[in-house]
Amino acid sequence: AQKVTQAQTEISVVEKEDVTLDCVYETRDTTYYLFWYKQPPSGELVFLIRRNSFDEQNEISGRYSWNFQKSTSSFNFTITASQVVDSAVYFCALSEAYSGAGSYQLTFGKGTKLSVIP
Amino acid sequence: DTAVSQTPKYLVTQMGNDKSIKCEQNLGHDTMYWYKQDSKKFLKIMFSYNNKELIINETVPNRFSPKSPDKAHLNLHINSLELGDSAVYFCASSPLTSPARETQYFGPGTRLLVL
Repeated sequence: AQKVTQAQTEISVVEKEDVTLDCVYETRDTTYYLFWYKQPPSGELVFLIRRNSFDEQNEISGRYSWNFQKSTSSFNFTITASQVVDSAVYFCALSEAYSGAGSYQLTFGKGTKLSVIP
Repeated sequence: DTAVSQTPKYLVTQMGNDKSIKCEQNLGHDTMYWYKQDSKKFLKIMFSYNNKELIINETVPNRFSPKSPDKAHLNLHINSLELGDSAVYFCASSPLTSPARETQYFGPGTRLLVL
């Protein structure tokens, strides 16, 4: 069975610091998909990034970057020069084998609550 | 131009009542989902559905039933509400394209409180 572990329950940083959110996953499939979602205090779930298992290229989007390492089954998320607006709960998620009904169901980690202090 | 919308945003009700939460997507997606987020923020899949097939997570009580009047809507009906049903319920949708492009987009959530 697939599993996603986000060992950091809560992190606090001072504005402008860099912060890395860890995500470790378990899967028996050779093809799978990894995601990060952001849940700000307003409660909605915002898609940030998707990474396919066959694409190990790291990605940078503005202040956000993602480090995917198959050898350690990790998909870590770094925010550079954090801002107060980055305060949110961040979820890592995994989908693997086809679940039926045209779906690839997501298994979520328990989330990391990031607080950025001004 | 909300992509995935849910109504109501908040729902407060008494134990034993029956209630529905509506979900609509205007993305033209083929597959829709319901997730439950508990008080500890843990998100868990409840259902996956397209117009041909329903996949139910085995842990979901049969008091919960998804109903889809058309491809753009997947409503969640809950019978005989219990205190433990209090949670935030998220609807999501994704396109039935190649798995390499499969991404789920979520609605704003419905906060259900059962008294």
